[in-house]
Amino acid sequence: QKEVEQNSGPLSVPEGAIASLNCTYSDRGSQSFFWYRQYSGKSPELIMSIYSNGDKEDGRFTAQLNKASQYVSLLIRDSQPSDSATYLCAVNIVSSGGSNYKLTFGKGTLLTVNP
Amino acid sequence: GAVVSQHPSWVICKSGTSVKIECRSLDFQATTMFWYRQFPKQSLMLMATSNEGSKATYEQGVEKDKFLINHASLTLSTLTVTSAHPEDSSFYICSAPKQGAGGYTFGSGTRLTVV
Repeated sequence: QKEVEQNSGPLSVPEGAIASLNCTYSDRGSQSFFWYRQYSGKSPELIMSIYSNGDKEDGRFTAQLNKASQYVSLLIRDSQPSDSATYLCAVNIVSSGGSNYKLTFGKGTLLTVNP
Repeated sequence: GAVVSQHPSWVICKSGTSVKIECRSLDFQATTMFWYRQFPKQSLMLMATSNEGSKATYEQGVEKDKFLINHASLTLSTLTVTSAHPEDSSFYICSAPKQGAGGYTFGSGTRLTVV
């Protein structure tokens, strides 16, 4: 089983709609979860971080975490064409040595917001 | 705050030559630096973790003699791709943990093309 899994998409939504992005992870001990946005040819930029079960809202973005289900999601409300990008789910997972964490990325979901 | 400056942003080199990529933490001390590689339409794959003053830890399958990492100071980590081949062509990104705030800050990435 892959450590962090996302639907690769592509996901296409009309402008103004809600985009829903999902991610599951394998390590039950993970404590830190991140959503990054990556435009083509650019480095990832942090959208949201979440550490506790439940919802966390920041403007048009809401991250949801369910540790029992090992599931984290990102909702984008009132989607804009400028939101079109690849969204990467990242989870801190214990490294094989057991003493450190490493940030592990999913494959990413390509989102297209149509005007 | 917590800015990582990465250079060069792109480089083209001949097969068999070596290329050095630098990541500098500008406004904080980075005791740890993560090095990722991203192939087209793929996710970020962790190559190695460098720690200031000690040997880097490489992920399984990454050749430590080919990808030389040096982290000699708290503000500079370098990745040298030795004897580069066309299959090493990729997007290389460094990342450092943010102090206190949690999360990670990323360099702007280096597009390496080996011809």
